[in-house]
Amino acid sequence: AQSVTQLGSHVSVSEGALVLLRCNYSSSVPPYLFWYVQYPNQGLQLLLKYTTGATLVKGINGFEAEFKKSETSFHLTKPSAHMSDAAEYFCAVINMNSGYSTLTFGKGTMLLVSP
Amino acid sequence: NAGVTQTPKFQVLKTGQSMTLQCAQDMNHEYMSWYRQDPGMGLRLIHYSVGAGITDQGEVPNGYNVSRSTTEDFPLRLLSAAPSQTSVYFCASSPPTGNTIYFGEGSWLTVV
Repeated sequence: AQSVTQLGSHVSVSEGALVLLRCNYSSSVPPYLFWYVQYPNQGLQLLLKYTTGATLVKGINGFEAEFKKSETSFHLTKPSAHMSDAAEYFCAVINMNSGYSTLTFGKGTMLLVSP
Repeated sequence: NAGVTQTPKFQVLKTGQSMTLQCAQDMNHEYMSWYRQDPGMGLRLIHYSVGAGITDQGEVPNGYNVSRSTTEDFPLRLLSAAPSQTSVYFCASSPPTGNTIYFGEGSWLTVV
């Protein structure tokens, strides 16, 4: 079965600093990987995804993530944090045993941005 | 293009009451699923369906029923609500390729 581990339930950065949110996955087959963002009391918004092809994936709002098979990682980065980036971020992997129809999510990382 | 539509958005139930969370998609997707979100737990899969007439259990199915009579609709039923079912519920749909999964806006349920 697939699983996702997000290191750090909370990450604090200063405005303008590098954002690094860590995600490690386990999968017995090449994974499809996703990052979602959730603002308070709102739904999920897809930031970016990796399915096949280029391992460095660019998403919305200046975020990017790199798929590293050897490290089973898909860390999310942004060069310069903005106050509006404060939100909860979820990493997810497609479930092969449901025929690619569902996701397994990490427990989430809350990003706090201070002025 | 409405995408995935969930109703209601907010609901308060008393313990023991029953209710149905509605989910509809207009993208002709074969796959649909329900998740619940709880603080510190991420989203966990409740039930899913890979086509009309086909459903299966996810990680946390107890206390919930589903059916899939049409491609468009995938309702989630709580037969006898319990406080432990207080949560935010998300419905999702996707095509068989699995490379994009579309989520509804969520339903906030409180059981008192």
